[in-house]
Amino acid sequence: EAQVTQNPRYLITVTGKKLTVTCSQNMNHEYMSWYRQDPGLGLRQIYYSMNVEVTDKGDVPEGYKVSRKEKRNFPLILESPSPNQTSLYFCASSFRAASYEQYFGPGTRLTVT
Amino acid sequence: GESVGLHLPTLSVQEGDNSIINCAYSNSASDYFIWYKQESGKGPQFIIDIRSNMDKRQGQRVTVLLNKTVKHLSLQIAATQPGDSAVYFCAESSAGGTSYGKLTFGQGTILTVHP
Repeated sequence: EAQVTQNPRYLITVTGKKLTVTCSQNMNHEYMSWYRQDPGLGLRQIYYSMNVEVTDKGDVPEGYKVSRKEKRNFPLILESPSPNQTSLYFCASSFRAASYEQYFGPGTRLTVT
Repeated sequence: GESVGLHLPTLSVQEGDNSIINCAYSNSASDYFIWYKQESGKGPQFIIDIRSNMDKRQGQRVTVLLNKTVKHLSLQIAATQPGDSAVYFCAESSAGGTSYGKLTFGQGTILTVHP
């Protein structure tokens, strides 16, 4: 089954404790992206990757890192999480760049206390 | 749980009616527009897209209209069904330039369909 998977689905952590949210797709897509969703603010793009080893900042990259060492994986790293990073996070992928249909993962709900 | 729909515009319709959801976009350089549907507890799901060289595109029960003059996008859903109840987002992107790869979402509209 073609899908985007994220892990973990739920995470509660404390300020400053480094964490990684994994994202994997099995569709051989070149493009992958991370978004955060907050009440009343819609979805905002954090980082995106046009292909392996090519990443770029979205609209809200501060406090996040990403890497794209393999085509299928695009982990989101929070080196020192803060409470304002409490949010619902979505990973997405598409055949090519953002102008193609994006497939979204199920989401990761992160709470930073 | 926390609602992603807090303070969003809402549209309530009766089952069988047609629905029209509107979106104003901001970047006149955007040349690709997409509508996504997000059901409670799930990730957004692609509905339909349209490129800037078109002003109308039809899918199954859905039609997207694009008015570049006033930077307005609309999604029309025919014969709305209870399963259409969700939050609907428009999104814009560019096929080139420094924004290539960026996707900007609108605020979203909550559609509620009453049986």
